[in-house]
Amino acid sequence: QSALTQPASVSGSPGQSITISCTGTSSDVGGYNYVSWYQQHPGKAPKLMIYEVSNRPSGVSNRFSGSKSGNTASLTISGLQAEDEADYYCSSYTNNSTKVFGTGTKVTVL
Amino acid sequence: QVQLVESGGGVVQPGRSLRLSCAASGFTFSSYGMHWVRQAPGKGLEWVAVIWYDGSNKYYADSVRGRFTISRDNSKNMVYLQMNSLRVEDTAVFYCARDHIVLVPAAIGGMDVWGQGTTVTVSS
Repeated sequence: QSALTQPASVSGSPGQSITISCTGTSSDVGGYNYVSWYQQHPGKAPKLMIYEVSNRPSGVSNRFSGSKSGNTASLTISGLQAEDEADYYCSSYTNNSTKVFGTGTKVTVL
Repeated sequence: QVQLVESGGGVVQPGRSLRLSCAASGFTFSSYGMHWVRQAPGKGLEWVAVIWYDGSNKYYADSVRGRFTISRDNSKNMVYLQMNSLRVEDTAVFYCARDHIVLVPAAIGGMDVWGQGTTVTVSS
C-alpha cells in the first residue's frame, strides 16, 4: 500500500487560508468517505482534526475543514494562526481493510 | 480521563524480538478497535496494524505482515504488539491509538486518542 501524496510544505501569513491536498486512488481515498486528518507538533503525538472527510471532533476549531473530490481529499485552515504551525497528515481506509497515511505536510506561518 | 500508555520499547539487535504493550483507561476498551502507528526518526507516520474491538480480525501493513502480531486482552484493557525478526528499519516511535467509532467491525474511523509513544531502536 503506497502512501497518499501530500505537498511537502505549505505556508501562509496569519489570517490567510491555506489548503493541503491528499491524493490517493480509487482503492483508498476515492473509494471511501473515511478520510481523516491529523495535526502533529514536534515531539508530540498526533491529534485528530477531521474524520470521515469533513467532520470535526469536539474541541477542534471550526477554522479547520475537510472535503473530497474523486481521489483527492483536502484540508483547509482558515484564519491561519501561529499555533497552526505543525505537520499535517491525511489518512484513509483502504480496500484491504487497512489504513494508509499521507506523506505529511509541514505548515509554516510566515 | 481517557488515556493510553505504551511501554516495552528499548534497544534490540536485528533479528531479535520485542513486545510492546498499551494500557487503556477511562473508556469502555472492549468497544473500540485499536491501532499501532509508528514514526521513524524525522519521518512521517506509518500505520502498522489494527485489531477489531472484539479481537476477531487483525490487519497489517505490508512492511510488517508475517513479523508483527497485534493482540488484545479486553479483560485487562490492554493491546499488544509482538515484533519478531526486527530490522534496523523498524526503528521508530510506536504509538497505540483508538479508532473512534464504537462497535464497528472495521477500522474506518479516525484515531481520536493516542498514547505518548514508546521508542524502539534496532541496532547492532
